[in-house]
Amino acid sequence: TAGITQAPTSQILAAGRSMTLRCTQDMRHNAMYWYRQDLGLGLRLIHYSNTAGTTGKGEVPDGYSVSRANTDDFPLTLASAVPSQTSVYFCASSLKWGETQYFGPGTRLLVL
Amino acid sequence: QKEVEQDPGPLSVPEGAIVSLNCTYSNSAFQYFMWYRQYSRKGPELLMYTYSSGNKEDGRFTAQVDKSSKYISLFIRDSQPSDSATYLCAMRAQGGSEKLVFGKGTKLTVNP
Repeated sequence: TAGITQAPTSQILAAGRSMTLRCTQDMRHNAMYWYRQDLGLGLRLIHYSNTAGTTGKGEVPDGYSVSRANTDDFPLTLASAVPSQTSVYFCASSLKWGETQYFGPGTRLLVL
Repeated sequence: QKEVEQDPGPLSVPEGAIVSLNCTYSNSAFQYFMWYRQYSRKGPELLMYTYSSGNKEDGRFTAQVDKSSKYISLFIRDSQPSDSATYLCAMRAQGGSEKLVFGKGTKLTVNP
């Protein structure tokens, strides 16, 4: 089973450019999440969605936006990238909000 | 005080050793406890899941919860080089609106 897929695997992005990180799940999970993982800081929640059509802000939402047009897809957009957004980004999903989360393989982003 | 504290390590042990990984927490309402394993350059994967207090065993892995001390542990018996990874604890309270809170992870290396 595919579970959660993320694209791209890695990316180098010039500061000021925009980019969308893609996330798709095939488990029909209601809730989806975006995290960034940085050394020494662990996983930090950026945005989440309890169900299709709704989104919410996590711990570190500034500079990021999300949409949830359907159950399967949850893209994360950086409108104008800055070097501090260099990180590894993980998408996750769970059957319901707060339940056990299943993670994608991650996107490594370098903003120069 | 952070909600979840986890020693980042790194922890280095010889093959065959018993490994103990731990997290402490401050929120007495936490009822669900999880351990995730994250291999280098991969997403976290669920390893163990327990509810409330007690022990749960799965092969070489044992998860232990001591709610009176607000302390959870993951024991790995007969550790193998393939167990080398970062281990993250996660927990949440009961209730539909409660979020999953992650520890920052402990990096483990098992040396052959």
